[in-house]
Amino acid sequence: DAKTTQPNSMESNEEEPVHLPCNHSTISGTDYIHWYRQLPSQGPEYVIHGLTSNVNNRMASLAIAEDRKSSTLILHRATLRDAAVYYCIYVPEGGSEKLVFGKGTKLTVNP
Amino acid sequence: DADVTQTPRNRITKTGKRIMLECSQTKGHDRMYWYRQDPGLGLRLIYYSFDVKDINKGEISDGYSVSRQAQAKFSLSLESAIPNQTALYFCATSDLLVGEAGQETQYFGPGTRLLVL
Repeated sequence: DAKTTQPNSMESNEEEPVHLPCNHSTISGTDYIHWYRQLPSQGPEYVIHGLTSNVNNRMASLAIAEDRKSSTLILHRATLRDAAVYYCIYVPEGGSEKLVFGKGTKLTVNP
Repeated sequence: DADVTQTPRNRITKTGKRIMLECSQTKGHDRMYWYRQDPGLGLRLIYYSFDVKDINKGEISDGYSVSRQAQAKFSLSLESAIPNQTALYFCATSDLLVGEAGQETQYFGPGTRLLVL
């Protein structure tokens, strides 16, 4: 199984940056790192993905360690709407039917 | 309109009953998935389908069956519901583009909350 390790929970204040860590020590060189989040009472939604380089999009940034055994999802300015469970997943080259969603990190954003 | 819809959104049933959860998508994706989520846990894959004629078992397929009636529709059935199938069920879709292995994004429906008494 493609397993990752994340803290169970984290807390942040509104408008402050948030760094969500993820360890994926068994990742292979061709596996992409994906992040999803699940807002309360909703299905998971895609956030960002990357392979080796750091990635940015309108939602977040993804910083990938040089050895690729860990990554960090960065929310530059947390809002109350960012309160969710964040899942770090890596997708084996075979495709996303191999996805393993762990328990994720529950992010609480304080006003 | 939502790209991935699930019906019903909530369902209460009794042990031994047969029920069907339905999923429809307007994204034109070939790949569809059924997951279940138990409280405090991540998602676990039940079944997946890469096209209309393709059905594959996931991690926890026992007690479930699926039907891919069309590209846009993927149904999950519980032939004889039992209480430990009480969970939140999600349908998802994705499309694997040529040359983009490992980069496909899954799009999830809003979920069906099932309670088996």
